[in-house]
Amino acid sequence: DSGVTQTPKHLITATGQRVTLRCSPRSGDLSVYWYQQSLDQGLQFLIQYYNGEERAKGNILERFSAQQFPDLHSELNLSSLELGDSALYFCASSVGPGTGAWDEQFFGPGTRLTVL
Amino acid sequence: DAKTTQPPSMDCAEGRAANLPCNHSTISGNEYVYWYRQIHSQGPQYIIHGLKNNETNEMASLIITEDRKSSTLILPHATLRDTAVYYCIVRVDSSGNTGKLIFGQGTTLQVKP
Repeated sequence: DSGVTQTPKHLITATGQRVTLRCSPRSGDLSVYWYQQSLDQGLQFLIQYYNGEERAKGNILERFSAQQFPDLHSELNLSSLELGDSALYFCASSVGPGTGAWDEQFFGPGTRLTVL
Repeated sequence: DAKTTQPPSMDCAEGRAANLPCNHSTISGNEYVYWYRQIHSQGPQYIIHGLKNNETNEMASLIITEDRKSSTLILPHATLRDTAVYYCIVRVDSSGNTGKLIFGQGTTLQVKP
């Protein structure tokens, strides 16, 4: 158990819908990262927040957005869902902003999104 | 961040050492080598990291060549629970870094009884 929690575990929805994935980082961690893992693209970095502020953006679609709240939990919002958005979505957390080699990331168990 | 190359798959007998290679020939001086693994659709798990010296922890050892162009992750006594995809990642350590991890395809290690 990494200490990172993600809800829900599974989500099944239809094309065109909007969903929200939630992540609670380990106690004391200030950074939250979101990754997407699909069969054809592998594990891809989406976005990082550090202490409530966006710190880095990867190949995140405009239909996707995220935020980190004052209590440091984060939400990833996916809208206008397409079949290709079906994937595992992982959240990770780390103590700092990710600048140090010591700042390892701890991953949650993931949310499996299926778009029908 | 430098690119890494890993064999797509390897087998290892249970109880034997598993040696997983990684090439990172374009690595620069301030880039660290990290290893993560992912056991069947679970979240990736940090294993070890190093800069140029060999490193050991309770999970594994990391051997980095003197020219730093390649490294080997060693699981000294592989068990069936070590069956996973192993990712070698090169990441810079600097104040400008964001912490994002760039995962390649990794090596699927199959530990066999």
